[in-house]
Amino acid sequence: QLQLQESGPGRVRPSETLSLTCAVSGFAIRDGYYWGWIRQSPGKGLEWIGSFYTSGNTYYNPSLKSRVSISVDTDKNEFYLKLTSVTATDTAVYYCAREHLAHWGYPEYWGQGLLATVSS
Amino acid sequence: QSALTQPASVSGSPGQSISISCTGTSSDIGGYDYVSWYQQHPGRAPKLLIFDVANRPSEVSDRFSGSKSGNTASLTISGLQAEDEADYFCSSYTSANDWVFGGGTKVTVL
Repeated sequence: QLQLQESGPGRVRPSETLSLTCAVSGFAIRDGYYWGWIRQSPGKGLEWIGSFYTSGNTYYNPSLKSRVSISVDTDKNEFYLKLTSVTATDTAVYYCAREHLAHWGYPEYWGQGLLATVSS
Repeated sequence: QSALTQPASVSGSPGQSISISCTGTSSDIGGYDYVSWYQQHPGRAPKLLIFDVANRPSEVSDRFSGSKSGNTASLTISGLQAEDEADYFCSSYTSANDWVFGGGTKVTVL
């Protein structure tokens, strides 16, 4: 059974880098599908952050592209999110997800989410 | 402010049908058949209900259906049940090669 679990610090200081991990079990990332990150904040609702396919293609939200990177370690069956120069507006629940086979950008299986607060 | 516009709330009695609208522009909903809908119960992750405007993942009830006309997509819930009380979000692919969401609609079962 596919499961995704986010982990990382619950609090990050302004201007620092938010680093999150998504641990996947029940399916090997290298076997296919797109995988992605989405966040949800009270002020901005749901926001797509980015999606990637293990064999190459990676897409980022243009509004975050200068600050975000997504990477993967197929041996650990994990993928990662880094968001630099964070501000209070980056405070949100961050979800990782496996996306539907139909098209990238359709998160189908979600992690439980991790609240990351930007605060000094 | 969200890129896609949804009503803040919709309500209905058990057994009734309700529809939730999601309005965008020709650069998103109107330009592509890549619209999806999600259901979210409090404290839970969203659940994919509809993709490609009107298709359902295999495990989603056929009481949920999607459609699109011009720049507006719609989600219809038929045979409303107490368990359908939740927040619903639409999403669309855009000409900027990204995805945008609506602000969400709270469905109340009376």
